[in-house]
Amino acid sequence: EIVMTQSPATLSVSPGERATLSCRASQSVSSNLAWYQQKPGQAPRLLIYGASTRATGIPARFSGSGSGTEFTLTISSLQSEDFAVYYCQQYNNWWTFGQGTKVEIK
Amino acid sequence: QVQLVESGGGVVQPGGSLRLSCAASGFTFSSYGMHWVRQAPGKGLEWVAFIRYDGSNKYYADSVKGRFTISRDNSKNTLYLQMNSLRAEDTAVYYCAKEMGVAFVSDYWGQGTLVTVSS
Repeated sequence: EIVMTQSPATLSVSPGERATLSCRASQSVSSNLAWYQQKPGQAPRLLIYGASTRATGIPARFSGSGSGTEFTLTISSLQSEDFAVYYCQQYNNWWTFGQGTKVEIK
Repeated sequence: QVQLVESGGGVVQPGGSLRLSCAASGFTFSSYGMHWVRQAPGKGLEWVAFIRYDGSNKYYADSVKGRFTISRDNSKNTLYLQMNSLRAEDTAVYYCAKEMGVAFVSDYWGQGTLVTVSS
C-alpha cells in the first residue's frame, strides 16, 4: 500500500495570506495525485488532479505542483471560504489518502 | 446536475449486516465506474471499493475484502454496498463517488450516510 503523508497537520493562516500544503508518497505515484477540500459536514470536493490540473470551477488561486513522491498545494491568497481540511490522494495504485491538513484562521 | 444520494445507514450490532444504496442522477450512470469511500468520526478518508461501469470488475480495500460486496443496477441508476460481519471499526460516514473519466479520481460525491456499529 502506498502511504501518503501530509504536513503540517494544522496550518494557521491569516485571510489574504499564502498557504502551502505538502504531501509525500511512500513510493512514486508519477503525477497521479489529487487534492480535495472538505468542510465540516460536507463531502470532499475535488480541487486538483494530475498533480496540477484544476478541476472544473476551481478558482485560479488554487495550484498544485510536484511529481513522483513530493507534491504541493498552494492557495495564493486565502479567502474565508478556503478554511477547511485538505486531503491529498494518490490514484497510481488504487486510492490512498493523506491524513489531512487543517487550514485554520490565524 | 449530477446528484448522488446515499441511503441505508443506521445502527447495527457487531456481526450484523447492512445494505447501502446510492441513487444517481444527472449523468449517464452506466458509463462511469463508482466508488465507496468512508470516513470514521473525526478521521480521514478511506477508500472502500470500486466497481467498473458495467459491473464486470470489482475491487476492495483489504480491510473490507470478504465482508463487503459492491454492486450496481444500471437499469435503476443505483449503486449498492452490502456490508456483512460488521465491526466497530466499520463505523463511519459512507460516501459514494463518481469516477471522473479523464482521471481515476472522483468529481462528484454524495453527502454520505452514517453507519454505526455498536451493541
